[in-house]
Amino acid sequence: NAGVTQTPKFRVLKTGQSMTLLCAQDMNHEYMYWYRQDPGMGLRLIHYSVGEGTTAKGEVPDGYNVSRLKKQNFLLGLESAAPSQTSVYFCASSYLGVTYNEQFFGPGTRLTVL
Amino acid sequence: KNQVEQSPQSLIILEGKNCTLQCNYTVSPFSNLRWYKQDTGRGPVSLTIMTFSENTKSNGRYTATLDADTKQSSLHITASQLSDSASYICVVSAYSGGGADGLTFGKGTHLIIQP
Repeated sequence: NAGVTQTPKFRVLKTGQSMTLLCAQDMNHEYMYWYRQDPGMGLRLIHYSVGEGTTAKGEVPDGYNVSRLKKQNFLLGLESAAPSQTSVYFCASSYLGVTYNEQFFGPGTRLTVL
Repeated sequence: KNQVEQSPQSLIILEGKNCTLQCNYTVSPFSNLRWYKQDTGRGPVSLTIMTFSENTKSNGRYTATLDADTKQSSLHITASQLSDSASYICVVSAYSGGGADGLTFGKGTHLIIQP
């Protein structure tokens, strides 16, 4: 099993450009998450999904959109990138809610917005 | 507001030595506490998960302790190896209605093992 995979691994954007980050998991997990990790800060939840076709806002959702059209995929979109969105983005999944279930993280996408 | 504080921010020790990392939290209502290891350029990987009733949990050379009364946890690494160089993140889970957004992440302790 590949676990949680993310594409791309690195990306450089100019301010105002758009892009989509793809997350895929092969563990048949219901819940999927997008986090960002910035220097000197803990991981912060952007959006999450509790099942195919559902999405919800996390702690820092502004400037991002997500879609979960298939159970195994969770997409994170930036419609108009800003320098403040320079960060490392991690996708994670869990069988059910994080209250009782372990989260599995992908390798991350390092995004730089110029 | 739920908070997780870790200390020290960074630590350098010699290979073969032991070390202890600290985590203090103010999360309510408490569900469980997790320690993750994050290698440079990689995603976090779970080391241990402890519930309210568990005081100690081991995973190889890693031993985590939890004092739910004082809201403190520690991660002890025995006989450190070069591969232990990483960031160690304490994560506390609160009971949440949706079950998806109840985690509070610490900023991590950056550990460097020198030969």
